[in-house]
Amino acid sequence: ELKVEQNPLFLSMQEGKNYTIYCNYSTTSDRLYWYRQDPGKSLESLFVLLSNGAVKQEGRLMASLDTKARLSTLHITAAVHDLSATYFCAVEIMEYGNKLVFGAGTILRVKS
Amino acid sequence: GAVVSQHPSRVICKSGTSVKIECRSLDFQATTMFWYRQFPKQSLMLMATSNEGSKATYEQGVEKDKFLINHASLTLSTLTVTSAHPEDSSFYICSASIGADTQYFGPGTRLTVL
Repeated sequence: ELKVEQNPLFLSMQEGKNYTIYCNYSTTSDRLYWYRQDPGKSLESLFVLLSNGAVKQEGRLMASLDTKARLSTLHITAAVHDLSATYFCAVEIMEYGNKLVFGAGTILRVKS
Repeated sequence: GAVVSQHPSRVICKSGTSVKIECRSLDFQATTMFWYRQFPKQSLMLMATSNEGSKATYEQGVEKDKFLINHASLTLSTLTVTSAHPEDSSFYICSASIGADTQYFGPGTRLTVL
C-alpha cells in the first residue's frame, strides 16, 4: 500500500523567512504533484514532477524530486502573507489506474 | 483549457434524502473521472474511479450502494449520495483526466446533511 507522509503538518512562519515542506512516499511513483488549497476552495495545481532530479520553480515556491530517496520538497523563499494556505503533495501510480494518493497536507500561516 | 465544473457548489439536505452532484469537463472529453471526499482539516480521500460507459471502481471501505456513481458520457459524471446522514457531510471534489494525463480538479461541492 502506498503511503505518503508530509511534514510538518502545521507551519507558522514570519514574512521574509525561508522554509521547506517535505513529502516522503513509500513506493515507486510515476508522477508527484504539489497542490495549494485555500479555505473552502478546491485544489490549485502548483507543480508536477516526473523524473529524478526534477526541479521546478514558480515565484517564491520551488519543488524538487529525489526518486531514489522517495522524497519531494517544496521550498518557500522569503515568504509573504499571500502564501498562507494548505499545501498537499500527491503521488500518482499509473499501474494503479492513475490514482492519486495524497499526503495529510501542511497548513502554512505566514505572519506579517 | 481543461476546466472542470461541479454542480451544485453547496447543498443542504435533510437526513434520509438523496443528493446528486454533477461533475462536468467543459472543454475536453474525460475518459476517467475521480471522486474524492474531504472532511474538515483533513486530506483528500479517493472514493471511486469511473470510466465512461463502465461501472465505477470503488476504494476499500466506500459503500457502493450508498455512493452511486454514473459516468454516462465523456463529459459528465454524477455522484448520488443515497439516504444521506449527517456523517456524510463533507466536501466532495471530482477530477477528470484524458487517458493517463494529469487530473484536473473541479471546484468542489459542500454537502451538509441536517
